Amino acid sequence: SQQGEEDPQALSIQEGENATMNCSYKTSINNLQWYRQNSGRGLVHLILIRSNEREKHSGRLRVTLDTSKKSSSLLITASRAADTASYFCATESGSYQLTFGKGTKLSVIP
Amino acid sequence: GAVVSQHPSRVICKSGTSVKIECRSLDFQATTMFWYRQFPKQSLMLMATSNEGSKATYEQGVEKDKFLINHASLTLSTLTVTSAHPEDSSFYICSARAPGTGTEQYFGPGTRLTVT
Repeated sequence: SQQGEEDPQALSIQEGENATMNCSYKTSINNLQWYRQNSGRGLVHLILIRSNEREKHSGRLRVTLDTSKKSSSLLITASRAADTASYFCATESGSYQLTFGKGTKLSVIP
Repeated sequence: GAVVSQHPSRVICKSGTSVKIECRSLDFQATTMFWYRQFPKQSLMLMATSNEGSKATYEQGVEKDKFLINHASLTLSTLTVTSAHPEDSSFYICSARAPGTGTEQYFGPGTRLTVT
C-alpha cells in the first residue's frame, strides 16, 4: 500500500506568516485530502481535492495537486496561534479507504 | 455537520483483559466505518474496514482474532481488543462514511488505550 510523505516533519513560524506543507504519494489516486489534528484529539477534515483538479481554496487554505509529480501542497495564509496542530495528507485510491502521510507538526508562535 | 463519537475517550486496563471501544455516528447512518490506530507522534494506520451487516475487512498484519470488529447497526461499530498487551497501547480512532456523500469521512475524537 502507498503512504504519503509530508515535509517538513515540523514547522515553526511566527503568527501572521504563511505556512506551507508538502505531501508526496506513490500510486494513482482518486482524491487527496488534508486533515488537521490537535494534540491527542481526532481529525478534522480541512479540504479535498480531486485528481482532476489542480488547485482549491477554502478560507485561508490553499491546496494544490500535481498528479504528474504525485505531490500536493497545503498553504495556510496569515497563520494564527490556533492553527498550531499536526496536519496530515491522506490519499484515496478506491473503496473509500484513506492512506495517511506521516504528518507535519506546525507550531505558530504568537 | 456529521458527528462521530467514541466511547470511552480514555481507558486503562490490565494485561490479559479485553476492552471494547464504541464508535457511533450521531446524526447520520454510516454504512461503512473505519478503524485506525495511531502510535505517539506517528501517522494513522488503517486497521480494518467495517461494513454494516457483514464481516470486517482487515488490513495486512492486523490480527482479526485479536481486534474484533462488529458493525451491528448503521450507527454503531465496536472494536474489542482481546487479551490486551502493553504493545496494544495506542490511540484508536474510528471514522464513518455516510452513503451518498462522496468520499468524505467523519472522524471520532479517538480513544486512548493504555495497557498496564
